[in-house]
Amino acid sequence: ETGVTQSPTHLIKTRGQQVTLRCSSQSGHNTVSWYQQALGQGPQFIFQYYREEENGRGNFPPRFSGLQFPNYSSELNVNALELDDSALYLCASSFDSYEQYFGPGTRLTVT
Amino acid sequence: GQQLNQSPQSMFIQEGEDVSMNCTSSSIFNTWLWYKQDPGEGPVLLIALYKAGELTSNGRLTAQFGITRKDSFLNISASIPSDVGIYFCAGRNTGTASKLTFGTGTRLQVTL
Repeated sequence: ETGVTQSPTHLIKTRGQQVTLRCSSQSGHNTVSWYQQALGQGPQFIFQYYREEENGRGNFPPRFSGLQFPNYSSELNVNALELDDSALYLCASSFDSYEQYFGPGTRLTVT
Repeated sequence: GQQLNQSPQSMFIQEGEDVSMNCTSSSIFNTWLWYKQDPGEGPVLLIALYKAGELTSNGRLTAQFGITRKDSFLNISASIPSDVGIYFCAGRNTGTASKLTFGTGTRLQVTL
């Protein structure tokens, strides 16, 4: 059974640029949730995708957007990057609303 | 965004000692979860609790779902060096999106 994978592992971007992060869900899972974890803090919920549609959103601006594909993999897109967007971005997959299993994360640095 | 309060924030203990940590919330959750995160990794699910008052064990780990549904506790018995890491509690309510609300974390360091 393959766990949750994310790419890339690390990324450095310049303020104002756009970034796309990718997540492959665990085998058998149909729901993907994205979280932002700033240094020294717990993860914060960004949004969740279920059956290719956004299924709930946290307190993040519209420049954070996402997609889910028919194979349940997902992308997180962030436009107009700001310095405060520097964080570890975590993807978690689950079957419906059951327990969420996390990937290793993508470390994004905005300079 | 909301974060749950965890205490202690960090702790140093000796190998073999028992550890206790707790998590409190201003709002009710109907599921409590405990995760462990190692440096450079994503959180790993340790224990899930689904019912107020429930006590659940996973090896040396025991967790409890508080009666008020606003708190949870995690105990680790006979700590070993690989217990080092950051422990996060998370609350969840089933609904449109089963989002997790995480705590601030407890950093555990174990000395030999």
